[in-house]
Amino acid sequence: DTEVTQTPKHLVMGMTNKKSLKCEQHMGHRAMYWYKQKAKKPPELMFVYSYEKLSINESVPSRFSPECPNSSLLNLHLHALQPEDSALYLCASSPQGADTQYFGPGTRLTVL
Amino acid sequence: AQKITQTQPGMFVQEKEAVTLDCTYDTSDPSYGLFWYKQPSSGEMIFLIYQGSYDQQNATEGRYSLNFQKARKSANLVISASQLGDSAMYFCAMREGPGDSNSGYALNFGKGTSLLVTP
Repeated sequence: DTEVTQTPKHLVMGMTNKKSLKCEQHMGHRAMYWYKQKAKKPPELMFVYSYEKLSINESVPSRFSPECPNSSLLNLHLHALQPEDSALYLCASSPQGADTQYFGPGTRLTVL
Repeated sequence: AQKITQTQPGMFVQEKEAVTLDCTYDTSDPSYGLFWYKQPSSGEMIFLIYQGSYDQQNATEGRYSLNFQKARKSANLVISASQLGDSAMYFCAMREGPGDSNSGYALNFGKGTSLLVTP
C-alpha cells in the first residue's frame, strides 16, 4: 500500500485568507515532501521533512509555512498568498530519505 | 542547465502498440537514480519504474520497461501493449547522488511528454 492522502482536493481563497493543506500517510515513511506544480510544468520541490525535521527548504516565500506535527502528518499553512501561487500542490513521502517518492492526489489551489 | 531532457512534448500511439518515451539526463555524479512517473489529468503523480545508476539490468515493471543506456545518458521508458488508460503526461526524473536517508532528496523533473493512446 502506497497511499498518500491530501485534503482538501480543491481550495479557493482570497489574498487575505489563512488556510492549511493537509497530507497524511500511514505507511511508516520517514520523509515527506511538498511540491508546487503550475499548469503544464513539472513539479517544483518546496520543502522536505525527514524524521519530522525540516531538512530542505527551497527558498520558498514565508507566506508558505510547513509543519510536521508527527511522522504521519504534514501540513502547509498558507497566508497572504498571491494569485500567482495558484497551482496544484502535491505531497509525497518516501520510506527513507533516499527511496522512491510516492505522491498524493494533490490539492488544486486557486487564489483570487 | 537542464538536468533532465524530454524532447517529445507530445506523442500518439495506437492501442495495443508499443511506444518509447525519450529521456536524457546530465550529471557528473557516479551515483544517481532515475524515475518515471505518470500524471493523468486528475493530477496524481503515479510512480512507474526506477533505475539505479549501478543497476546492471534494465528495470521492468509489468508493461513498463526502462531502456537504460548509461554511456549515452539515456533512460527511455518503453510501454508495451498500450491501453487507452495510458493516456497521460509522463515525467522522467533524477535523484543525484546516493541519497541521504536522513535528509530526503530533490527530484529533478523533465518537462514531460504528453501521451495520447488512440483506439
